[in-house]
Parts: sequence; structure tokens; C-alpha cells
Amino acid sequence: DSGVTQTPKHLITATGQRVTLRCSPRSGDLSVYWYQQSLDQGLQFLIQYYNGEERAKGNILERFSAQQFPDLHSELNLSSLELGDSALYFCASSGDTEQYFGPGTRLTVT
Amino acid sequence: AQKITQTQPGMFVQEKEAVTLDCTYDTSDQSYGLFWYKQPSSGEMIFLIYQGSYDEQNATEGRYSLNFQKARKSANLVISASQLGDSAMYFCAMREGSSNTGKLIFGQGTTLQVKP
Repeated sequence: DSGVTQTPKHLITATGQRVTLRCSPRSGDLSVYWYQQSLDQGLQFLIQYYNGEERAKGNILERFSAQQFPDLHSELNLSSLELGDSALYFCASSGDTEQYFGPGTRLTVT
Repeated sequence: AQKITQTQPGMFVQEKEAVTLDCTYDTSDQSYGLFWYKQPSSGEMIFLIYQGSYDEQNATEGRYSLNFQKARKSANLVISASQLGDSAMYFCAMREGSSNTGKLIFGQGTTLQVKP
């Protein structure tokens, strides 16, 4: 158990819909990262928050947004979903050197 | 631009033998960190080992060791005494910069199968 929690574990939704993925970092970690893992793109960094502020942005679509709340949990919002958004979405957190991943949310868009 | 290359899509190893998974990286930064993760079929990403660019000793964690060759820009993972539970996908990743926080860039992964 990495100490990073993600909900839900699985999500099935239709095209055009909007979903919210939730992440709680390890106790004491201020940085939260979101990654997307798909068969064609591999593991891609989406966005990073540090203590509530956006720190870095990667290959994140404009339809996607994220935020980190004062209690340090983070949410990734995916809207106008397309079939190609089907993927495994990971949240990770770091404090010292290591970066620990949550169990992931498997999103299926039908 | 930073890049991680894992040239072995799939590997087989006999149980109890050692195996080396290759990873090469490209970066212009002097300060960076290298990571290995294990992803079993259940999907979670399990942190295995970390090596800082300024660390003089190769990192070791139990049966895992990282063979760090800075001049060659390689960071191979060595798993000793392979077990059936080691069958999984393995990812090499890099973080640039001296900060302890920062995004990871991943390689394409190597699938390891341990034979009984």
C-alpha cells in the first residue's frame, strides 16, 4: 500500500459525459501529480500541483482540468469525454525523493 | 529533450536466476533522478528503487539493484533470485532537476515473465 488513495477504482461512462477522479496523497506530501496510461501513448504526465498551486503542466487536454484543495486532496475533471479518453489514470504524490502512485482509476468511455 | 528508452519489450527468466532490464536516458541536466516501477497485471504502479545523479553508490533495495553508469547514461535494473511474483511490466522513469518534486518521464516498459 503506497498510502496514496484514488476513487473510484473503475468508471464506465458514455461519450460526451463529465467525470471527476479523486486522489488523496500520502500524509505529509504536498505534491500531487496526475498521469494517464493508455495503450497507444504509454504513461504520460498530465499536471502537477504543489500545496494547492499548479506547478507544471504536461500533455493535458483543454477538456481536462484539475485542482488541489486546502486539505491537499486533488480532483481531475474530464469533460466532453471521447472514446480515446479511455485509460488508466494515476495520481502520485511525493515528499522526499520518491514518487508514490495510487492504485489508479480505470476509465472506460463507451 | 529528456527521453527514456527501454529496448526490451519482453524478457523471460528462469525462477531463481538473475535478470537485467535495460534503460538508457537522455538529458542535458546535470541533476536528475532515475526510478524503476513495477506494474503487475492488477495495474498498480509499485515504486522499486531510486538513484540520484550525484549518488556515487549504486542503489539497492532488497533483491533490486540499479546498475548506474552515468557516462553511458544507463540505469539498468537488476533483479536477483527471480520469483514467480516478479512477473510484471517494469518501467524506468526520470525526473530532471535538483528539486525533489517534478514530473516523471517514463519509458515504454519491459514485460518480464518468470518461468518456473
